[in-house]
Amino acid sequence: AQKITQTQPGMFVQEKEAVTLDCTYDTSDPSYGLFWYKQPSSGEMIFLIYQGSYDQQNATEGRYSLNFQKARKSANLVISASQLGDSAMYFCAMREVYTGNQFYFGTGTSLTVIP
Amino acid sequence: DVKVTQSSRYLVKRTGEKVFLECVQDMDHENMFWYRQDPGLGLRLIYFSYDVKMKEKGDIPEGYSVSREKKERFSLILESASTNQTSMYLCASSLDGGRNQPQHFGDGTRLSIL
Repeated sequence: AQKITQTQPGMFVQEKEAVTLDCTYDTSDPSYGLFWYKQPSSGEMIFLIYQGSYDQQNATEGRYSLNFQKARKSANLVISASQLGDSAMYFCAMREVYTGNQFYFGTGTSLTVIP
Repeated sequence: DVKVTQSSRYLVKRTGEKVFLECVQDMDHENMFWYRQDPGLGLRLIYFSYDVKMKEKGDIPEGYSVSREKKERFSLILESASTNQTSMYLCASSLDGGRNQPQHFGDGTRLSIL
């Protein structure tokens, strides 16, 4: 079974609008971290936001927020007030603590911001 | 800021050659990782290392080996390059095994095997 599932291969959003990128995960480890990364066309992977499995509140970093629903095992990224520079691939990732300590990545969502 | 440096952005090699991809991090991180990235497949883990001289196989280790003689350097070796190893290779590091420790990535190496 896939550890991380991103079901949206491509998304479009109008500039200045908000957009939600979906991510669901699968783990039996009680302690884990969830991460979102941005990859522009230039190729580098940029860390955006982190959510811990024990965190009670949703993480926020500037225009990025994470809609964490633990019971549903989802960790959706919300980008508010989209900008043209937000056009990129976005990857959801998970790190389990007690079972292997690896990172698991989804297949990514390509976001295009339309002027 | 953490700096992860990969030795080449673009590399072209021939089938059968032994290829070395170098990665250096400057923040005394314990963990280092090598991934390959192919369209539609996301990132796939090749090898990772918890500490100096330690290595663990990831999901796709066949055809690759690694070396970590110093904490800051993690090398990926293609023993005998083949055309199906043409890909984007990403190196990453993290401070330790804590669940809140993100990976920091290098800029990637686009490797073409002719």
